[in-house]
Amino acid sequence: NAGVTQTPKFRVLKTGQSMTLLCAQDMNHEYMYWYRQDPGMGLRLIHYSVGEGTTAKGEVPDGYNVSRLKKQNFLLGLESAAPSQTSVYFCATTSGDWGTDTQYFGPGTRLTVL
Amino acid sequence: DQQVKQNSPSLSVQEGRISILNCDYTNSMFDYFLWYKKYPAEGPTFLISISSIKDKNEDGRFTVFLNKSAKHLSLHIVPSQPGDSAVYFCAASARSFGNEKLTFGTGTRLTIIP
Repeated sequence: NAGVTQTPKFRVLKTGQSMTLLCAQDMNHEYMYWYRQDPGMGLRLIHYSVGEGTTAKGEVPDGYNVSRLKKQNFLLGLESAAPSQTSVYFCATTSGDWGTDTQYFGPGTRLTVL
Repeated sequence: DQQVKQNSPSLSVQEGRISILNCDYTNSMFDYFLWYKKYPAEGPTFLISISSIKDKNEDGRFTVFLNKSAKHLSLHIVPSQPGDSAVYFCAASARSFGNEKLTFGTGTRLTIIP
């Protein structure tokens, strides 16, 4: 039982390059989230999904796209990376059951855009 | 517009003493509050939560207090231990309004001095 895993752990991109971050969960959770963490900014929601085939915008969605083709996977794409997207990215999941909003986080992906 | 605020970026406490971390919110629709703990190079982990129908919730050394009229919550750690040194995030959601998203504060770095 791995919980929430993120691939890759680290990545360095040049401005304009593209990449996809993968989040995988084995907890059969419905809800999945992508956050970015920047110094002094806390965790900010980029996009989220309330079930397979659904996605929705969060607080800072510009420059990112997402897809949830399978329940266990949530992909975050950067089509044309910019230095402002240098950050640590966290994926999280929750069951969505009424009574809990506890989110389980992955270990993070550290992305540097030069 | 920061809806969840943690005004103290850092806090140092001697081992064995009480640590008090504070969090303020502005959105009256928030009705569920959580604290997360984060170690370097790891994802945040859930610590304790409280619903707006309560004003206190305890779990071992951790107690969360909620003052709805002041829109303020605090996390008390007693006694503080070296392993408690981490960044603590306050988060809030509006479950009664069908909001499955969490809004995070900017975090407080707690250092326990041996």
